[in-house]
Amino acid sequence: EAGVTQSPTHLIKTRGQQATLRCSPISGHTSVYWYQQALGLGLQFLLWYDEGEERNRGNFPPRFSGRQFPNYSSELNVNALELEDSALYLCASRNPGTSGTNTGELFFGEGSRLTVL
Amino acid sequence: GESVGLHLPTLSVQEGDNSIINCAYSNSASDYFIWYKQESGKGPQFIIDIRSNMDKRQGQRVTVLLNKTVKHLSLQIAATQPGDSAVYFCAENRPTDSWGKFQFGAGTQVVVTP
Repeated sequence: EAGVTQSPTHLIKTRGQQATLRCSPISGHTSVYWYQQALGLGLQFLLWYDEGEERNRGNFPPRFSGRQFPNYSSELNVNALELEDSALYLCASRNPGTSGTNTGELFFGEGSRLTVL
Repeated sequence: GESVGLHLPTLSVQEGDNSIINCAYSNSASDYFIWYKQESGKGPQFIIDIRSNMDKRQGQRVTVLLNKTVKHLSLQIAATQPGDSAVYFCAENRPTDSWGKFQFGAGTQVVVTP
């Protein structure tokens, strides 16, 4: 069974541009989470989507946005890129229908490395 | 502010020895804790979790200890192997947060030496 896949692996942009990152969850998983991992730092929660709806977002400005498609894949969009947006963006999925709150296991992809010049 | 943090940024362990990774948390309302392992170039991988109504939980070669009195969490790895070299993150879930909106610590780099 395929795991969480993310694309692109690497992305280089300049300040002010927009970046779009994509994520395909594990088959059957309806929840998708986005985390930002800046160099040397822990993971910072960005967004949570479930059944096509944004359920929660972290302390990030509105220029961080996304969506979830009917097939449960997801996009993360970052507008007006700033240098400090350079980070590894991780997507994770889970199936709340089977996991519920019994486990906090999120299945992460390998991330998309965004570099802003 | 309230946060989850780690005492040691880097831990060097000899192969075969036991590893202990520590984590401090400051939010006494947190009721669920989780450990993840991140190998170089990969996404984090779930190791083990524990709820606040427990003080110890064991998995395969790993044990998580929770001391709510001093708000301390630790991960013990028995007979450390080269494949255990990775960054280890502790994370907490606060009752007021959505499930999956975890607060992660900065991580501890574990280096296993032969």
